[in-house]
Amino acid sequence: GAVVSQHPSWVICKSGTSVKIECRSLDFQATTMFWYRQFPKQSLMLMATSNEGSKATYEQGVEKDKFLINHASLTLSTLTVTSAHPEDSSFYICSAGSGNQNNEQFFGPGTRLTVL
Amino acid sequence: LAKTTQPISMDSYEGQEVNITCSHNNIATNDYITWYQQFPSQGPRFIIQGYKTKVTNEVASLFIPADRKSSTLSLPRVSLSDTAVYYCLVGGRSGGYNKLIFGAGTRLAVHP
Repeated sequence: GAVVSQHPSWVICKSGTSVKIECRSLDFQATTMFWYRQFPKQSLMLMATSNEGSKATYEQGVEKDKFLINHASLTLSTLTVTSAHPEDSSFYICSAGSGNQNNEQFFGPGTRLTVL
Repeated sequence: LAKTTQPISMDSYEGQEVNITCSHNNIATNDYITWYQQFPSQGPRFIIQGYKTKVTNEVASLFIPADRKSSTLSLPRVSLSDTAVYYCLVGGRSGGYNKLIFGAGTRLAVHP
């Protein structure tokens, strides 16, 4: 099946710094990727839809200037958490759409962000 | 996007069959029903998908009644490694791409 990777798998940073998370589709091209955030014991919350070659579409309540998304190629989307604060500590997961009519998505393994 | 309702948690024992039912009363005509499994600190993993009637693969079966307002994921002979959160999602293409909204999910605990 299709494989999606994320890097890094975990990161610890100081408050005020920026952190970049990469999401790659390894064996297929993805014109659309999605970014989710998941707090402990909670469900995944869709943050934004990343479109190759165009601006991302953010869900209501998600600050686009804080969570910068770049989808420069058909296999790579990046999420940059700018000026991170402890409340941004979470599990960030990306997924890539397969493009088929069955709405199948492939999820990355997630990135654990801890902001001190 | 159709909203889904699932039991918050379920308990079972090794070797038993587990059925998790999901309600999606306002499912749209072009919506598919998809189930994902998630282990702690991992991304969700696709289990099964269907549109109507019954779908079976190597790990599960999905039963969908004619009105499609609910669906049931059936896990045969569960083991301890099936302890996870199971999400039911409905959706189809929206604006040219696929958008999935996760509900609360069902936390399944399998006991020895």
